[in-house]
Amino acid sequence: GENVEQHPSTLSVQEGDSAVIKCTYSDSASNYFPWYKQELGKRPQLIIDIRSNVGEKKDQRIAVTLNKTAKHFSLHITETQPEDSAVYFCAASTLTFQGAQKLVFGQGTRLTINP
Amino acid sequence: GAGVSQSPRYKVAKRGQDVALRCDPISGHVSLFWYQQALGQGPEFLTYFQNEAQLDKSGLPSDRFFAERPEGSVSTLKIQRTQQEDSAVYLCASSLGTLHTDTQYFGPGTRLTVL
Repeated sequence: GENVEQHPSTLSVQEGDSAVIKCTYSDSASNYFPWYKQELGKRPQLIIDIRSNVGEKKDQRIAVTLNKTAKHFSLHITETQPEDSAVYFCAASTLTFQGAQKLVFGQGTRLTINP
Repeated sequence: GAGVSQSPRYKVAKRGQDVALRCDPISGHVSLFWYQQALGQGPEFLTYFQNEAQLDKSGLPSDRFFAERPEGSVSTLKIQRTQQEDSAVYLCASSLGTLHTDTQYFGPGTRLTVL
């Protein structure tokens, strides 16, 4: 089945600098890759996603790139702000049997923005 | 509109007790998912419903776990004879359609602590 690896597990950057989080996946059939932000005690919230028919997607300060050949995708946050501090999860969406589906998540990256 | 809601938000159970966790998905959402999130980890898939049909329950850890969605809207995750290793946050998510590229919207979770 699908396996998603995420690095780094913790990341500390200065306010205004960029942050990059990387994920790899194993199932070449996966073709949808969302990123979720989770603040302490809160629900995961989708911040950006990418489908396999595109290589890059950008939304203001956030961008995601996808390399299907290498089976990896990355989250890029530019001009980081203190409110970007949270745990970020990458995920891969995969079809299971009988038309079912699920998200397989990475282990998470705790991002800290230092003022 | 209202997002995914879950109740209770917190549940403390003595080992051996049965618990029931409720999920109210976004109105009209066909797909419903349950995930288990251990402390410091990414969510892990438990089960998937398409309307009232449970298409995949491969992630349920043991036969003590049971989920239902009898009318295709509200879902209940039941854990019988709780064990300490069941302590986790249980997240429910819903998506509008049946495509595995549909966005999954998460509820706030139920934090279960088994003493």
